[in-house]
Parts: sequence; structure tokens; C-alpha cells
Amino acid sequence: DTGVSQDPRHKITKRGQNVTFRCDPISEHNRLYWYRQTLGQGPEFLTYFQNEAQLEKSRLLSDRFSAERPKGSFSTLEIQRTEQGDSAMYLCASSLPGSGTDTQYFGPGTRLTVL
Amino acid sequence: RKEVEQDPGPFNVPEGATVAFNCTYSNSASQSFFWYRQDCRKEPKLLMSVYSSGNEDGRFTAQLNRASQYISLLIRDSKLSDSATYLCVVHLDTGRRALTFGSGTRLQVQP
Repeated sequence: DTGVSQDPRHKITKRGQNVTFRCDPISEHNRLYWYRQTLGQGPEFLTYFQNEAQLEKSRLLSDRFSAERPKGSFSTLEIQRTEQGDSAMYLCASSLPGSGTDTQYFGPGTRLTVL
Repeated sequence: RKEVEQDPGPFNVPEGATVAFNCTYSNSASQSFFWYRQDCRKEPKLLMSVYSSGNEDGRFTAQLNRASQYISLLIRDSKLSDSATYLCVVHLDTGRRALTFGSGTRLQVQP
């Protein structure tokens, strides 16, 4: 499979616990994005990397959230001290600039449930 | 006011029908426009980009009206497999890479 992959696909945790999600972009895509989607809403942008540099962060990305892309390949998104309001689908996307409209291709998402 | 607004539906149409979705966006500086399709509990997938001149891809036609800040998607000869949520997406293209999504319009094509 040469698409964007995410792990785990589902995560159930208790309030207050820390969770970490991983995203592997399409090979050679140097741009990587994280979005969050709640039921009945469209995805909302969280953050964006070009190679290893985090270039853009949404105000939705509170100080409990941190994202990294240390080698410019895979990325991790960590949520500390989870709250019930963090329950959502966390989507990762990647793109390759110069490929026309810089289309963002999405992974299958990690569904987080905070109890 | 939301940056991208869509009628949530659902639109229930019979097979073979023509259906149109509309979307409005608030930021006049927006430069790129897309329709994504999202099946239930799946990731969004690009359906088509939207150009000022309008564009067609098989049974799908997208139109952009910059003056009215309005985007449309027309689906002709609806198939059962077209049942999904259609997301209107806008990109500012001013150094920001974030896509802004509408909440989606749900389409249910019935036999």
C-alpha cells in the first residue's frame, strides 16, 4: 500500500492519560498535515510540516498537543492529559508541492475515544 | 459565521437523478477550491478541483463564482455508489497550507 498510513486506527483511553499517534506519509511527500474531525463536521486543520520543520499551527492546537516530524518522514501527534472533548478522528495528510494543485491525500485516521 | 458553509442535507434522490450541491465561502482571498468525497467512517478523498472556468469529470461538474463566493457541484445520472458526504474545501494560498473544509452535504441515492 503506497498511501498514507496511520497507527493505531482506534484508541480508547481514560481521561488524563497521554496518547501518541503515528502517521507515515506517501513516500517522497515532503509536506505533512494533521487535522481533527468530529461527528457531523468537516476536518479542522491542526498543524503542518514541510520536511522536519513545523511551519503552521492552528489555535486549536492547545499546549496539551505536540507534533513532531524528526527526520522529515513519519510524524507523531501526542495529546497529554486527554479530555473528553479530545474524542475525535485524527487525520493525517501528505502532499508533494509542484504536483499541480499540491493535492492533500488523507490517511484512514485514528479514532480516539476518551472515557 | 463559518468560513465555508454547506447545506448538511441529507439529499435523498432516486437512481438516475441529477442533484446539485452549493457551497459559499467567506474569505474573498481564497485561491483554490475543491470537492472531496467522504464515505461513512472513511477518510476524505479528492473528487475534483474547481476552476474559474468550470470543469467536468464524467458525470460530475464543478463551478466557481468568485464574485458571489459560491461553489457548486452537479452530479448527473446518480448511482447508488455516489452515496457519501461531499465536502466543499477552500485554500487561501497565501503561504498557508491549511485546507478549510465545510461540514459536508450528505447524499443518499436510493434504488
